[in-house]
Amino acid sequence: GQQLNQSPQSMFIQEGEDVSMNCTSSSIFNTWLWYKQDPGEGPVLLIALYKAGELTSNGRLTAQFGITRKDSFLNISASIPSDVGIYFCAGTTAGGTSYGKLTFGQGTILTVHP
Amino acid sequence: EAGVVQSPRYKIIEKKQPVAFWCNPISGHNTLYWYLQNLGQGPELLIRYENEEAVDDSQLPKDRFSAERLKGVDSTLKIQPAELGDSAVYLCASSLGVWGTLPDNEQFFGPGTRLTVL
Repeated sequence: GQQLNQSPQSMFIQEGEDVSMNCTSSSIFNTWLWYKQDPGEGPVLLIALYKAGELTSNGRLTAQFGITRKDSFLNISASIPSDVGIYFCAGTTAGGTSYGKLTFGQGTILTVHP
Repeated sequence: EAGVVQSPRYKIIEKKQPVAFWCNPISGHNTLYWYLQNLGQGPELLIRYENEEAVDDSQLPKDRFSAERLKGVDSTLKIQPAELGDSAVYLCASSLGVWGTLPDNEQFFGPGTRLTVL
């Protein structure tokens, strides 16, 4: 089963507001990834993090790899209607046949009101 | 460049019937993944292929699920017989490989096949 706890489960915000979501794990991951999934589509990679403490931005998105390697957060600034979707965190571990295996959180559903 | 192609997009079957899903990965991608996504959950890996070899199938319920990737390109995932609990979205993804960092190991997902078992 999945090991990542993602929160909040859903968010309803006004256009222009900032959004923050996070992901915690009972296990250490060596890579953290954030994906966005639109209805009827597969997840699309937004940001990848490879080092503990790393802070990475992609446009209005900023994500951080927690120092303990057991958590990560994603911020979206100045939200717009096209930010609507489901955001997933995912982590990978190293070693053996599980190398690169993605473990996903349960997702955060984001709704943006114009 | 075409992305990951999956078919069919939707499938409705009665329980105990067989069903098959097809995936064509991005050209040149050696690694192919099948994921199961239940409603309200993130994807869960079923099986990973490196070329034609299944290198991680620990999460594949082998009593009813099978997969193949002949010639190391297209792949088929089969369920026989289907059960009510198999209703979900089945996602296929591909990557150049699994080692190292982006872009080599970035997984690109197809749109999925939504299966409904009645």
